[in-house]
Parts: sequence; C-alpha cells; structure tokens
Amino acid sequence: KNQVEQSPQSLIILEGKNCTLQCNYTVSPFSNLRWYKQDTGRGPVSLTIMTFSENTKSNGRYTATLDADTKQSSLHITASQLSDSASYICVVSARSGGYNKLIFGAGTRLAVHP
Amino acid sequence: DTEVTQTPKHLVMGMTNKKSLKCEQHMGHRAMYWYKQKAKKPPELMFVYSYEKLSINESVPSRFSPECPNSSLLNLHLHALQPEDSALYLCASSHGPRTGSYEQYFGPGTRLTVT
Repeated sequence: KNQVEQSPQSLIILEGKNCTLQCNYTVSPFSNLRWYKQDTGRGPVSLTIMTFSENTKSNGRYTATLDADTKQSSLHITASQLSDSASYICVVSARSGGYNKLIFGAGTRLAVHP
Repeated sequence: DTEVTQTPKHLVMGMTNKKSLKCEQHMGHRAMYWYKQKAKKPPELMFVYSYEKLSINESVPSRFSPECPNSSLLNLHLHALQPEDSALYLCASSHGPRTGSYEQYFGPGTRLTVT
C-alpha cells in the first residue's frame, strides 16, 4: 500500500532556530517527491520537487534531501521566521497507468514563536 | 502568470441549495484537479480533468458534479450537500498528468460550510 508518513506531527521552535522535518514513504513506482507549505485555510505552495536521482535541493532557507535507497526525505529550515509557521506536507508522486497520483503525508504543523 | 484563482473564497449553503465553485488558470496547463481537505488532514483527490475530459473520479458522490468548459476553467457544481461536506475545496493545475515531474499548482481554496 502506498503510504507517506511524516514526523513529528507538530513542532514548536523559537524564532531564529533551525529545524528538520522528516518524511518516510513506501510508494511504488516512485516518480518524485515534493514538499509543500500550507498556511491555515490556504492552498499548498510548492517548496521543492525532487526526482529519483536528486539528493538535495534548496529554496532559500529551505533545503530538502532525498535518500531513495532508504525511502526517506527531510526538510531543513534554517534561521526560522515567524512566517514559517504553517503545515509542511510531504507528497510523493506515483506513476499509475500514465497518471501521476499524489500520495500526501499528514503534514507537520510548525509553530515559530518569538 | 503562475496563479490559480478560485471563487468564492467562502461559501455557506443550505442542504437544499445549488451552488458552484469556480477555478481558473492561465498557465496553459492541460490538467486540472479538484481536492477536498478537512481540517488538519491532507488534501484528498476528487476529480482529474485531462485535456478537458474527465479522466479520474475518485468515487465521489453524485452531489458533486465537475465541469470543464474550456482548458482554463474548472467548475464544481454542488447540490443537496450534507454538513459533512463542509471543507476547504482546492483546485490545482499542471502541464499534464502523464509526465512524472509536472508540478501541481494549487489555488487558495474555497472554504465551504453546509448548514
């Protein structure tokens, strides 16, 4: 069964600190892995997208890593800001009959406090 | 323009009402999607349109009726909804559903409340 599991479920950090969010997946056949940021009541916004051959990808203060062997990904946030408070969703794309189905993780809810 | 727009932002409707949600993109994308998202849960796929044809229906009840009038527009017609249908409805688009690395761009969503 295709599954994406994220940890922790929620996280509180102080402004300026770094943090790392984890994503483990059992998805086959794997197409790509994405990290989205979703503010409450808003649509998800893409942070990074990585294919099988990519190990790391950065977008400003966000750096995602992918280990396709262990089927793990992480999202590292550097020098957190109050505006980083949101849900971070790991999404793995699986090829299914010519259509790429997105398997969503439950998300990690990050709260950055001053 | 990398934006997906959705209207209305908020909608309150009774169980006997008929209403429609609208989604628009001008990125030339040929695949469009409807998702339903309950609070603190990930989005759940409802429908996929590819080249203006319905290609995926994830066993959605018939009280939800999608329509794709052209390649830029996607509607979701609502009729006889139940209170448990209250959720954030997200529209997304991508260049196409058939290639692995196509990004899905999400709209801001419509917050639907069924009374």
